[in-house]
Amino acid sequence: DTGVSQNPRHKITKRGQNVTFRCDPISEHNRLYWYRQTLGQGPEFLTYFQNEAQLEKSRLLSDRFSAERPKGSFSTLEIQRTEQGDSAMYLCASSLLGQGNYNEQFFGPGTRLTVL
Amino acid sequence: AQTVTQSQPEMSVQEAETVTLSCTYDTSESNYYLFWYKQPPSRQMILVIRQEAYKQQNATENRFSVNFQKAAKSFSLKISDSQLGDTAMYFCAFMNSGGSNYKLTFGKGTLLTVNP
Repeated sequence: DTGVSQNPRHKITKRGQNVTFRCDPISEHNRLYWYRQTLGQGPEFLTYFQNEAQLEKSRLLSDRFSAERPKGSFSTLEIQRTEQGDSAMYLCASSLLGQGNYNEQFFGPGTRLTVL
Repeated sequence: AQTVTQSQPEMSVQEAETVTLSCTYDTSESNYYLFWYKQPPSRQMILVIRQEAYKQQNATENRFSVNFQKAAKSFSLKISDSQLGDTAMYFCAFMNSGGSNYKLTFGKGTLLTVNP
């Protein structure tokens, strides 16, 4: 399968613990995005990378959140000192920036985080 | 900032019939893209159809078509000959063209159920 993959698919943790999610984009896609989707809402943009550079972070991304894409391939999203309000589906997407303005984002299956 | 509004939280349709999902948006931009994404239960989100704002002609993809009214900032999705596999959450989304052509802004979604 050459689509976007995310691991783990589900994560249950206790409040105050740290968690890390991984996203593997479609090979050769140079843009990678993280979104958060809470129950009953559409996905909300968190951050995005072009190659290894993190170019924008949403105000939704508090200082407990950090994302990396060290070699311009896979990405990790870490949440420190988790809170119950962090419970959500975390979606990763990737795209290929090419000529023109449009680059379709392909989504992964998401990581569902539950903070007890 | 852009906003996307989907006023129908849930809809249902009989198999083989036609259904229309509504979406309105607000932006001060003149060039942008609009999308409908489908998120089946426990599966990843996929792009259904895309519309460039500068194109007057409505986009179509097989059984899926849109009614794009730029002046009214309206972007509805029509699904013809509904199939059981169309059962999913449908999200309307907006993306600027140009410099900020990376961030998707989603509506809250419409849960569509196709009944046999």
